[in-house]
Amino acid sequence: QQQVKQSPQSLIVQKGGISIINCAYENTAFDYFPWYQQFPGKGPALLIAIRPDVSEKKEGRFTISFNKSAKQFSLHIMDSQPGDSATYFCAASMDSNYQLIWGAGTKLIIKP
Amino acid sequence: DTAVSQTPKYLVTQMGNDKSIKCEQNLGHDTMYWYKQDSKKFLKIMFSYNNKELIINETVPNRFSPKSPDKAHLNLHINSLELGDSAVYFCATSRRGSGTQYFGPGTRLLVL
Repeated sequence: QQQVKQSPQSLIVQKGGISIINCAYENTAFDYFPWYQQFPGKGPALLIAIRPDVSEKKEGRFTISFNKSAKQFSLHIMDSQPGDSATYFCAASMDSNYQLIWGAGTKLIIKP
Repeated sequence: DTAVSQTPKYLVTQMGNDKSIKCEQNLGHDTMYWYKQDSKKFLKIMFSYNNKELIINETVPNRFSPKSPDKAHLNLHINSLELGDSAVYFCATSRRGSGTQYFGPGTRLLVL
């Protein structure tokens, strides 16, 4: 029940296309859902996050879509660029302890 | 100034040795974490410290021991290193009441 399942494991998208990464969770007590971006040789860094009181959050080309009834959330990257090539992690936590439960990661490659 | 720093960046050592990895943060955050990232990029939380108290201790072998001399530092000491300890170890920090974690650049440990 503590798991966050992330898919796909890897993704190749053409430059200018839309990249979509999906996550699903079981624990309805989760109330904070961040996405982290990790470039090779670097630590993960917060990209965008959402709370379940909204169904969508957009920051530039990055959008989180959240479906509370389905217990799913996804990251959309519009107009994908080669510089977006990285590993993306979804995560979830509860306000009570803030321990992040991590997805397994998605390696995204944007082809020029 | 780097917000979260780790030393060393690379560590190559023989099986059976004891080694330490240091983490320092200048963000004033009161919670610090150690993560292990394996070759498949999976992030596993190992420990977290809040105000010098261990608040998370996952199923990590007792060969691993975190030590926090003060609020700005959380070091990781590893005894009797094994081949399976080879991984990238990340330090991270967060502010109390926040789900956002800030990661260091990682320490790449290779046990031969």
